[in-house]
Amino acid sequence: DGGITQSPKYLFRKEGQNVTLSCEQNLNHDAMYWYRQDPGQGLRLIYYSQIVNDFQKGDIAEGYSVSREKKESFPLTVTSAQKNPTAFYLCASSIWTGVEYEQYFGPGTRLTVT
Amino acid sequence: GQQLNQSPQSMFIQEGEDVSMNCTSSSIFNTWLWYKQDPGEGPVLLIALYKAGELTSNGRLTAQFGITRKDSFLNISASIPSDVGIYFCAGGDSGAGSYQLTFGKGTKLSVIP
Repeated sequence: DGGITQSPKYLFRKEGQNVTLSCEQNLNHDAMYWYRQDPGQGLRLIYYSQIVNDFQKGDIAEGYSVSREKKESFPLTVTSAQKNPTAFYLCASSIWTGVEYEQYFGPGTRLTVT
Repeated sequence: GQQLNQSPQSMFIQEGEDVSMNCTSSSIFNTWLWYKQDPGEGPVLLIALYKAGELTSNGRLTAQFGITRKDSFLNISASIPSDVGIYFCAGGDSGAGSYQLTFGKGTKLSVIP
C-alpha cells in the first residue's frame, strides 16, 4: 500500500527542546517537501529536497533543519530557535508526470510546544 | 514567498447547491492543482490541470485552467455534506527550474443539510 507516512500524529514538547518529525514515502518520488500550516495562513514551505543529500530552504526555514540521506525519508527537526513551533506540519512528495509535477501529502503531525 | 489570491475565503451553502471558487495570480503558471483538506488531515489532490483553457472533471468536480494562465476555478455541483472542508488551489512552474508549488490560503466550505 503506497503512500506517505508521518509519525507521530500528535506530538507534545516542552519549550527549549528540539524535536524531530518523521516523514517516509514508498512512492519512489524524487522530491520531498515540508510545510507548516497555521489557521488562516495556508501552507508555507519550510524546506524541500529534489534529490538525496541535497535540500533547499523554503520561505520560513529559520529554526528548522532537515536531512535527506535516503530517497524515501525526509525528517524535519524543529529546534529550540523556532520562536513559534506550535503548528500543523505537513510532508509532501512529488512525481514527474511527464508534463508537470504533482505533489501528494502525508496525514500531518500536529506539534504542540508548551 | 508569493501566494495566490483565492476566493471566497469561506462559504456556507445548502446541500444540493452548486459551488464555485477561484484562484488568481499576478504570475503565469504551467500547472494548476486543486486540493481538498479535511480537518486534521493532509490535503488530497482532486484535479490537476496542465494546459491553458483546459477543462477537467472528476465526478461532481470541474476545474478550468484560465486562458491567461493566471487563474483557475473549481466548481462543485450538487453539494453533499461530505464536501465540507478546505479547498486549496496551487500553481506550479517547473519550467522555471523550481519544484515548488505556490498555494492559495484556501476556501472553507460548509454545507448545511
